[in-house]
Amino acid sequence: AQKVTQAQTEISVVEKEDVTLDCVYETRDTTYYLFWYKQPPSGELVFLIRRNSFDEQNEISGRYSWNFQKSTSSFNFTITASQVVDSAVYFCALSDPSGTYKYIFGTGTRLKVLA
Amino acid sequence: DTAVSQTPKYLVTQMGNDKSIKCEQNLGHDTMYWYKQDSKKFLKIMFSYNNKELIINETVPNRFSPKSPDKAHLNLHINSLELGDSAVYFCASSQEQGFYGYTFGSGTRLTVV
Repeated sequence: AQKVTQAQTEISVVEKEDVTLDCVYETRDTTYYLFWYKQPPSGELVFLIRRNSFDEQNEISGRYSWNFQKSTSSFNFTITASQVVDSAVYFCALSDPSGTYKYIFGTGTRLKVLA
Repeated sequence: DTAVSQTPKYLVTQMGNDKSIKCEQNLGHDTMYWYKQDSKKFLKIMFSYNNKELIINETVPNRFSPKSPDKAHLNLHINSLELGDSAVYFCASSQEQGFYGYTFGSGTRLTVV
Protein backbone atom coordinates (compact mmCIF):
# COMPACT_ATOMS: atom_id res chain seq x y z
CA ALA A 1 0.00 0.00 0.00
CA GLN A 2 1.11 3.55 -0.61
CA LYS A 3 2.18 5.39 2.46
CA VAL A 4 4.12 8.45 3.54
CA THR A 5 5.69 8.54 6.98
CA GLN A 6 6.93 11.68 8.67
CA ALA A 7 8.08 10.28 11.97
CA GLN A 8 9.01 13.64 13.48
CA THR A 9 5.84 15.16 14.85
CA GLU A 10 7.47 18.32 16.10
CA ILE A 11 10.98 19.76 15.99
CA SER A 12 12.27 22.84 17.80
CA VAL A 13 15.49 24.53 16.85
CA VAL A 14 17.17 27.79 17.65
CA GLU A 15 17.52 30.31 14.85
CA LYS A 16 20.52 29.72 12.56
CA GLU A 17 20.62 26.02 13.31
CA ASP A 18 20.30 23.55 10.43
CA VAL A 19 17.38 21.16 10.58
CA THR A 20 16.39 18.09 8.55
CA LEU A 21 12.82 16.91 8.16
CA ASP A 22 12.50 13.24 7.32
CA CYS A 23 10.12 11.66 4.84
CA VAL A 24 9.93 7.95 4.10
CA TYR A 25 7.52 6.60 1.52
CA GLU A 26 6.17 3.28 0.31
CA THR A 27 4.87 2.67 -3.18
CA ARG A 28 4.45 -0.24 -5.51
CA ASP A 29 4.96 1.88 -8.60
CA THR A 30 8.20 2.57 -10.45
CA THR A 31 7.06 5.98 -11.66
CA TYR A 32 5.93 8.36 -9.00
CA TYR A 33 6.28 11.92 -7.81
CA LEU A 34 7.17 13.30 -4.42
CA PHE A 35 6.38 16.73 -3.08
CA TRP A 36 6.97 18.98 -0.12
CA TYR A 37 4.47 21.59 1.01
CA LYS A 38 4.75 24.23 3.73
CA GLN A 39 1.81 25.31 5.89
CA PRO A 40 2.71 28.45 7.84
CA PRO A 41 0.61 29.62 10.81
CA SER A 42 -1.59 31.59 8.42
CA GLY A 43 -2.88 28.24 7.15
CA GLU A 44 -2.31 28.20 3.42
CA LEU A 45 -0.46 25.33 1.75
CA VAL A 46 2.57 26.41 -0.23
CA PHE A 47 4.24 24.20 -2.83
CA LEU A 48 7.99 23.84 -2.26
CA ILE A 49 9.30 21.14 -4.56
CA ARG A 50 8.44 18.26 -6.86
CA ARG A 51 10.68 15.34 -7.63
CA ASN A 52 10.04 12.44 -10.00
CA SER A 53 11.25 8.95 -9.29
CA PHE A 54 13.80 8.97 -12.11
CA ASP A 55 15.63 12.03 -10.89
CA GLU A 56 17.75 11.36 -7.84
CA GLN A 57 19.74 14.53 -8.07
CA ASN A 58 19.70 16.56 -4.93
CA GLU A 59 18.11 19.95 -5.21
CA ILE A 60 19.08 23.20 -3.56
CA SER A 61 17.03 26.35 -3.47
CA GLY A 62 18.55 29.03 -1.31
CA ARG A 63 18.58 27.74 2.26
CA TYR A 64 16.44 24.74 1.32
CA SER A 65 17.79 21.46 0.04
CA TRP A 66 16.28 18.08 -0.64
CA ASN A 67 17.90 14.67 -0.61
CA PHE A 68 16.09 11.95 -2.57
CA GLN A 69 17.33 8.39 -2.11
CA LYS A 70 15.40 5.62 -3.79
CA SER A 71 17.49 2.97 -2.05
CA THR A 72 16.06 4.00 1.29
CA SER A 73 12.72 5.37 -0.05
CA SER A 74 13.42 8.70 1.54
CA PHE A 75 12.99 12.29 0.46
CA ASN A 76 14.40 14.44 3.23
CA PHE A 77 14.28 18.20 3.48
CA THR A 78 16.99 20.31 5.07
CA ILE A 79 16.77 23.94 6.04
CA THR A 80 20.15 25.58 6.52
CA ALA A 81 20.53 28.50 8.92
CA SER A 82 16.89 28.33 9.96
CA GLN A 83 14.90 31.51 10.53
CA VAL A 84 11.82 32.25 12.57
CA VAL A 85 9.84 32.59 9.32
CA ASP A 86 10.54 28.92 8.63
CA SER A 87 8.23 28.01 11.51
CA ALA A 88 5.44 26.00 9.91
CA VAL A 89 4.05 22.53 9.41
CA TYR A 90 5.79 20.77 6.54
CA PHE A 91 4.10 18.01 4.58
CA CYS A 92 5.64 15.41 2.36
CA ALA A 93 3.34 13.89 -0.28
CA LEU A 94 3.41 11.05 -2.81
CA SER A 95 1.44 10.89 -6.04
CA ASP A 96 -0.94 7.97 -6.13
CA PRO A 97 0.42 5.43 -8.59
CA SER A 98 -2.96 4.50 -9.98
CA GLY A 99 -2.96 7.75 -11.90
CA THR A 100 -5.99 9.06 -10.11
CA TYR A 101 -4.39 12.45 -9.60
CA LYS A 102 -4.53 12.30 -5.82
CA TYR A 103 -1.72 12.74 -3.37
CA ILE A 104 -1.05 10.75 -0.25
CA PHE A 105 0.14 13.14 2.42
CA GLY A 106 2.28 12.42 5.43
CA THR A 107 1.05 13.56 8.80
CA GLY A 108 3.30 16.61 8.76
CA THR A 109 6.19 17.83 10.88
CA ARG A 110 5.71 20.99 12.91
CA LEU A 111 8.91 23.03 12.91
CA LYS A 112 9.38 25.70 15.53
CA VAL A 113 12.30 28.04 15.07
CA LEU A 114 13.04 29.99 18.21
CA ALA A 115 14.66 33.40 18.16
CA ASP B 1 -5.28 38.01 -8.81
CA THR B 2 -5.60 35.01 -6.51
CA ALA B 3 -4.87 31.78 -8.38
CA VAL B 4 -7.24 29.53 -6.39
CA SER B 5 -9.83 31.37 -4.37
CA GLN B 6 -12.23 29.87 -1.87
CA THR B 7 -15.18 31.47 -0.19
CA PRO B 8 -15.96 31.83 2.59
CA LYS B 9 -12.73 31.74 4.57
CA TYR B 10 -14.58 31.05 7.81
CA LEU B 11 -17.94 29.38 8.28
CA VAL B 12 -19.64 28.87 11.63
CA THR B 13 -22.98 27.10 11.53
CA GLN B 14 -25.31 25.00 13.59
CA MET B 15 -25.74 21.26 13.39
CA GLY B 16 -28.29 20.21 10.85
CA ASN B 17 -27.78 23.17 8.54
CA ASP B 18 -26.83 22.96 4.87
CA LYS B 19 -23.89 24.99 3.63
CA SER B 20 -21.78 25.47 0.52
CA ILE B 21 -18.16 26.36 -0.09
CA LYS B 22 -17.13 27.80 -3.43
CA CYS B 23 -13.84 27.49 -5.26
CA GLU B 24 -12.56 29.13 -8.43
CA GLN B 25 -9.21 28.90 -10.17
CA ASN B 26 -7.84 31.19 -12.86
CA LEU B 27 -4.80 29.10 -13.75
CA GLY B 28 -6.37 27.28 -16.67
CA HIS B 29 -5.87 23.95 -14.88
CA ASP B 30 -7.99 21.00 -15.91
CA THR B 31 -8.33 19.27 -12.53
CA MET B 32 -9.71 20.47 -9.22
CA TYR B 33 -9.85 18.85 -5.81
CA TRP B 34 -11.34 19.06 -2.36
CA TYR B 35 -9.17 18.03 0.56
CA LYS B 36 -10.16 17.91 4.21
CA GLN B 37 -7.69 18.76 6.97
CA ASP B 38 -8.74 17.57 10.40
CA SER B 39 -7.76 18.95 13.79
CA LYS B 40 -4.57 16.88 13.78
CA LYS B 41 -3.56 18.46 10.47
CA PHE B 42 -4.11 15.26 8.54
CA LEU B 43 -4.90 15.97 4.86
CA LYS B 44 -7.15 13.61 2.99
CA ILE B 45 -8.67 13.86 -0.44
CA MET B 46 -12.42 13.93 -0.78
CA PHE B 47 -13.19 14.56 -4.43
CA SER B 48 -11.57 15.43 -7.70
CA TYR B 49 -12.93 16.64 -11.03
CA ASN B 50 -11.11 16.58 -14.33
CA ASN B 51 -12.69 18.75 -17.02
CA LYS B 52 -16.00 18.67 -15.13
CA GLU B 53 -15.94 14.89 -14.78
CA LEU B 54 -15.82 13.33 -11.30
CA ILE B 55 -12.72 11.15 -11.14
CA ILE B 56 -12.15 10.70 -7.43
CA ASN B 57 -14.86 10.10 -4.90
CA GLU B 58 -13.31 8.84 -1.70
CA THR B 59 -15.27 7.32 1.14
CA VAL B 60 -17.14 10.44 2.12
CA PRO B 61 -20.66 10.60 3.57
CA ASN B 62 -23.19 11.29 0.85
CA ARG B 63 -24.14 14.45 2.73
CA PHE B 64 -21.16 15.91 0.86
CA SER B 65 -21.81 16.67 -2.78
CA PRO B 66 -19.36 18.36 -5.13
CA LYS B 67 -20.46 20.25 -8.21
CA SER B 68 -18.32 21.48 -11.06
CA PRO B 69 -20.22 23.76 -13.44
CA ASP B 70 -17.08 24.28 -15.52
CA LYS B 71 -13.43 23.40 -15.20
CA ALA B 72 -12.62 26.65 -13.39
CA HIS B 73 -15.12 26.10 -10.58
CA LEU B 74 -15.64 23.39 -8.01
CA ASN B 75 -18.16 23.83 -5.22
CA LEU B 76 -18.79 21.68 -2.17
CA HIS B 77 -22.25 21.40 -0.70
CA ILE B 78 -22.77 19.80 2.70
CA ASN B 79 -26.18 18.75 3.95
CA SER B 80 -27.25 18.17 7.54
CA LEU B 81 -23.97 19.32 9.04
CA GLU B 82 -22.60 17.36 11.98
CA LEU B 83 -20.08 18.29 14.67
CA GLY B 84 -17.54 15.93 13.10
CA ASP B 85 -17.60 17.92 9.88
CA SER B 86 -15.66 20.69 11.60
CA ALA B 87 -12.36 20.95 9.76
CA VAL B 88 -10.47 23.05 7.25
CA TYR B 89 -11.48 22.33 3.67
CA PHE B 90 -8.95 23.05 0.95
CA CYS B 91 -9.65 23.43 -2.71
CA ALA B 92 -6.76 22.78 -5.09
CA SER B 93 -6.12 22.66 -8.81
CA SER B 94 -3.53 21.07 -11.04
CA GLN B 95 -2.55 20.37 -14.58
CA GLU B 96 -1.29 17.05 -15.95
CA GLN B 97 -2.66 14.77 -13.25
CA GLY B 98 -1.04 16.78 -10.51
CA PHE B 99 2.47 15.71 -11.47
CA TYR B 100 3.64 19.31 -11.38
CA GLY B 101 2.10 19.97 -8.00
CA TYR B 102 -1.16 21.34 -6.75
CA THR B 103 -2.00 24.97 -6.20
CA PHE B 104 -4.10 25.20 -3.07
CA GLY B 105 -6.66 27.75 -2.04
CA SER B 106 -6.33 29.39 1.35
CA GLY B 107 -8.80 27.03 2.98
CA THR B 108 -12.24 27.33 4.56
CA ARG B 109 -12.41 26.75 8.29
CA LEU B 110 -15.80 25.16 8.99
CA THR B 111 -16.98 25.07 12.58
CA VAL B 112 -20.19 23.24 13.38
CA VAL B 113 -21.71 24.09 16.76
